[in-house]
Amino acid sequence: EAGVVQSPRYKIIEKKQPVAFWCNPISGHNTLYWYLQNLGQGPELLIRYENEEAVDDSQLPKDRFSAERLKGVDSTLKIQPAELGDSAVYLCASSLSPENSPLHFGNGTRLTVT
Amino acid sequence: GQQVMQIPQYQHVQEGEDFTTYCNSSTTLSNIQWYKQRPGGHPVFLIQLVKSGEVKKQKRLTFQFGEAKKNSSLHITATQTTDVGTYFCAVTNAGGTSYGKLTFGQGTILTVHP
Repeated sequence: EAGVVQSPRYKIIEKKQPVAFWCNPISGHNTLYWYLQNLGQGPELLIRYENEEAVDDSQLPKDRFSAERLKGVDSTLKIQPAELGDSAVYLCASSLSPENSPLHFGNGTRLTVT
Repeated sequence: GQQVMQIPQYQHVQEGEDFTTYCNSSTTLSNIQWYKQRPGGHPVFLIQLVKSGEVKKQKRLTFQFGEAKKNSSLHITATQTTDVGTYFCAVTNAGGTSYGKLTFGQGTILTVHP
């Protein structure tokens, strides 16, 4: 099966600019996650979707971050405006069901804010 | 919130030596998953443990879930250079406000000297 697809692979922007990341989960996976991973740290959940519904966005900084999964398939994560501290790897993952299922991660988008 | 601690943070071994990483939680867990992330790569699912005292093996890897379901270990016998990477545990609480939420540890970075 095709894996989780993310784009772009790398992104360099200046602070205060907007940026968007795209994710296409594994076909049939209803649950989609966006994680942030800083260097040397474990992934931290930003938002989790069940189909098109955001069921856990408690860790999403809503003043500058937004996400959508309009048709319950692919998803976009946006940052506007970006700050220097947003430099990190943004990982998308999908799974078959919300509990006790393995997560399948994409290759991530490495964001550098200058 | 959920507190999960992984030790050690770093481990350097000679090829052929054994390696163990530990994952400890402050609360009782519903289940625990283990992931491996190669340098420059994304986390890849290894295994899930659900039952108290459960032990699972994958070739040279042995995974154990504590009797109290608050800790887990991953042991690699006779390490090889292909074992290099960061090993993460990811835990789900058995109850409370974090129920159902998967939280990653900070990982153990393993380097293997040939």
